[in-house]
Amino acid sequence: ILNVEQSPQSLHVQEGDSTNFTCSFPSSNFYALHWYRWETAKSPEALFVMTLNGDEKKKGRISATLNTKEGYSYLYIKGSQPEDSATYLCASTSGTYKYIFGTGTRLKVLA
Amino acid sequence: GAVVSQHPSRVICKSGTSVKIECRSLDFQATTMFWYRQFPKQSLMLMATSNEGSKATYEQGVEKDKFLINHASLTLSTLTVTSAHPEDSSFYICSARLAGGVNEQFFGPGTRLTVL
Repeated sequence: ILNVEQSPQSLHVQEGDSTNFTCSFPSSNFYALHWYRWETAKSPEALFVMTLNGDEKKKGRISATLNTKEGYSYLYIKGSQPEDSATYLCASTSGTYKYIFGTGTRLKVLA
Repeated sequence: GAVVSQHPSRVICKSGTSVKIECRSLDFQATTMFWYRQFPKQSLMLMATSNEGSKATYEQGVEKDKFLINHASLTLSTLTVTSAHPEDSSFYICSARLAGGVNEQFFGPGTRLTVL
């Protein structure tokens, strides 16, 4: 049974701070790791799709890394802004199209 | 691109009634759509996979007669919660798969169902 875990569950940071979250996933039969940003009442927005061990992806102030051997991915936000406040979800797939989601990290950036 | 809409966003109904939720891919064709459910403080859980022109595939523990799925076109899948009860109150969200590559899924905004 696949189990994807995210930590922390929630955090508050001050505007301008940098922060990072963790997504842990089973490393066996790994296929892809997806990160989404989800604001209340909106659709989850796809941030990154990562497949290769050592992958690093970047979009503006947000970046992510992937370690498939040990089964974790980090999401980094540099210089957090209030508009970064959202829930960040990760989902793992293992050779099928089915996503297994973590419970998310709720980020609140205080102005 | 890759926009998915979902309607309604919120519905309140009486116990015993049926509720239909629509999921549409607006700017791409989706041969496969997915329906998820999320209970408070839990992760999104896959309920079923909806394939255009064929029967849906349900995950273990999900009653197919309770949650009817129809995927009649390449842009529309519907989920009908039949004879809804208070325990069916939850957040339901759909996604559509972009074929090819790493099979990325694009999500609708979800539907909050409350059964009184």
